[in-house]
Amino acid sequence: AQRVTQPEKLLSVFKGAPVELKCNYSYSGSPELFWYVQYSRQRLQLLLRHISRESIKGFTADLNKGETSFHLKKPFAQEEDSAMYYCALIDNQGGKLIFGQGTELSVKP
Amino acid sequence: DSGVTQTPKHLITATGQRVTLRCSPRSGDLSVYWYQQSLDQGLQFLIQYYNGEERAKGNILERFSAQQFPDLHSELNLSSLELGDSALYFCASSVSPRGGPYEQYFGPGTRLTVT
Repeated sequence: AQRVTQPEKLLSVFKGAPVELKCNYSYSGSPELFWYVQYSRQRLQLLLRHISRESIKGFTADLNKGETSFHLKKPFAQEEDSAMYYCALIDNQGGKLIFGQGTELSVKP
Repeated sequence: DSGVTQTPKHLITATGQRVTLRCSPRSGDLSVYWYQQSLDQGLQFLIQYYNGEERAKGNILERFSAQQFPDLHSELNLSSLELGDSALYFCASSVSPRGGPYEQYFGPGTRLTVT
């Protein structure tokens, strides 16, 4: 079964500290993975896609097929990073997104 | 701004009523997806249309239906509303369902409150 797991419901760090938001997946074949960010229950914004390997707002994510993980990292958290973060993969049959339960990141001053 | 628009922004209605949510995809996007976000269920896929045809169905109740029109805008119809239908309903669009640039871009959502 295709599944995305985000084990942490809430992650609280201080400003300037490193951040790692965990994401594990279950998928047969080569997954296509994304990170979305949602500020104050507004629209979901695409943050990263694994195929592009780009860095957005200082965040990076590396696909580790051996560990079936796609963790989101940032070396120095900022207060404006506080938001809900969702890891998602594309369903291999229809194209729908399968989301994890989300991790709320809280960056304290 | 992702270019995906949704109306209305907020909707408050009573149990048993029927509502229609509207979505306009980004220019050039042929595929439209509907998702429901609730506190207990998280983000759940409801239904997908591609160029006017239904392509995939998820956890969509029989009381819910959708369609995509020739101008590619989509409507999600929710009927016989129950308190549990209160949620944020998001629409997303992409160029194509698979292959090529298929990132999904989300609209601002419609917040439905059933009283």
